[in-house]
Amino acid sequence: DTGVSQDPRHKITKRGQNVTFRCDPISEHNRLYWYRQTLGQGPEFLTYFQNEAQLEKSRLLSDRFSAERPKGSFSTLEIQRTEQGDSAMYLCASSSMDSLGSEQFFGPGTRLTVL
Amino acid sequence: DQQVKQNSPSLSVQEGRISILNCDYTNSMFDYFLWYKKYPAEGPTFLISISSIKDKNEDGRFTVFLNKSAKHLSLHIVPSQPGDSAVYFCAASAHGSARQLTFGSGTQLTVLP
Repeated sequence: DTGVSQDPRHKITKRGQNVTFRCDPISEHNRLYWYRQTLGQGPEFLTYFQNEAQLEKSRLLSDRFSAERPKGSFSTLEIQRTEQGDSAMYLCASSSMDSLGSEQFFGPGTRLTVL
Repeated sequence: DQQVKQNSPSLSVQEGRISILNCDYTNSMFDYFLWYKKYPAEGPTFLISISSIKDKNEDGRFTVFLNKSAKHLSLHIVPSQPGDSAVYFCAASAHGSARQLTFGSGTQLTVLP
């Protein structure tokens, strides 16, 4: 399978714990995005990488959220000191560079539940 | 401030008939529009897209229409099939380095056999 993969698919944690999610994009895609989706809403943009450079991170929800893409391949999203309001689906997407616009291909998501 | 709006949370259509899903946007900087389909417990799946230089794009049973003056787009599915039952999201991106997507809140389509 050559699509976007995410791990884990589900994560249950207690409030105050740290969690880390992984995303493996489509191999030839140099753009990688993280989104968050809550119930009844569409995905909400969090951050963006072009290769290993994080070019947009102003939409990260707080300083408890951080993301990395160390070698321009896989990416991780970390949430420190989780809160119940962090419970959501976290989606990763990748695309190839295109000056006009291009489709983003999404992974299956990681469902986070904070107790 | 929702920049992309899908005002119909749900739509039911008989199998074989046309499904029309609507989307409105407010940001004039958007120049690329996409439709995604989402099943429960899965990520969104890309369906079809359209650039702002066009007013129609067709792919099999799916056609997207763009009316820039009205800041409105629609997705037509003809004929509708029970397997089309899913949540449909409209998304838009603006010119710029990130090209992040701004999504509407989705429309649940149910195709009745």
